[in-house]
Amino acid sequence: AQSVTQLGSHVSVSEGALVLLRCNYSSSVPPYLFWYVQYPNQGLQLLLKYTTGATLVKGINGFEAEFKKSETSFHLTKPSAHMSDAAEYFCAVSETDKLIFGTGTRLQVFP
Amino acid sequence: DVKVTQSSRYLVKRTGEKVFLECVQDMDHENMFWYRQDPGLGLRLIYFSYDVKMKEKGDIPEGYSVSREKKERFSLILESASTNQTSMYLCASSLIRTGPQPQHFGDGTRLSIL
Repeated sequence: AQSVTQLGSHVSVSEGALVLLRCNYSSSVPPYLFWYVQYPNQGLQLLLKYTTGATLVKGINGFEAEFKKSETSFHLTKPSAHMSDAAEYFCAVSETDKLIFGTGTRLQVFP
Repeated sequence: DVKVTQSSRYLVKRTGEKVFLECVQDMDHENMFWYRQDPGLGLRLIYFSYDVKMKEKGDIPEGYSVSREKKERFSLILESASTNQTSMYLCASSLIRTGPQPQHFGDGTRLSIL
């Protein structure tokens, strides 16, 4: 069965600092991977997705993620954090039409 | 633009009541999903549907049922609400295409069972 592990339930960074949110997956087939963001009192919004092809995927709001098959990882990064990036972030792996979600990482950004 | 609408943002019900959560999507998506979200547990799939009148159990279906009479509407039913069903409920939809498709989410219903 497929699964997702997000390391660190809380991450804190200063405004302008690098954001790194970690995601490792387990899959017996080539995975489709997703990152979602959830702002307070809202649903989830797609940040980016990896299907096939280029391993570095660019998403919205300056985020990107790199698929590393050898490390079974799909970490999310942003070079410079902004206060508006404070939210909860979820990594997910596909299982046919279903998604398996990680437990989420809450990002805090300090001025 | 893509739109998934959940009928209530906040709902308070009493133990033992029958509770209906409604979800409508305007994107002609085949797949629809119901999740519950709890702190530290992420999103857990309750039920999903890939066609009208079709349903499949997810990871935590106990205590819930669903109805999909029309393609655009997917209802979650708590047959007899209990306090351990207090949670955030999220509805999502997606297309059926070759390869998994991203899911589009509603804003959620925060349900409290007293």
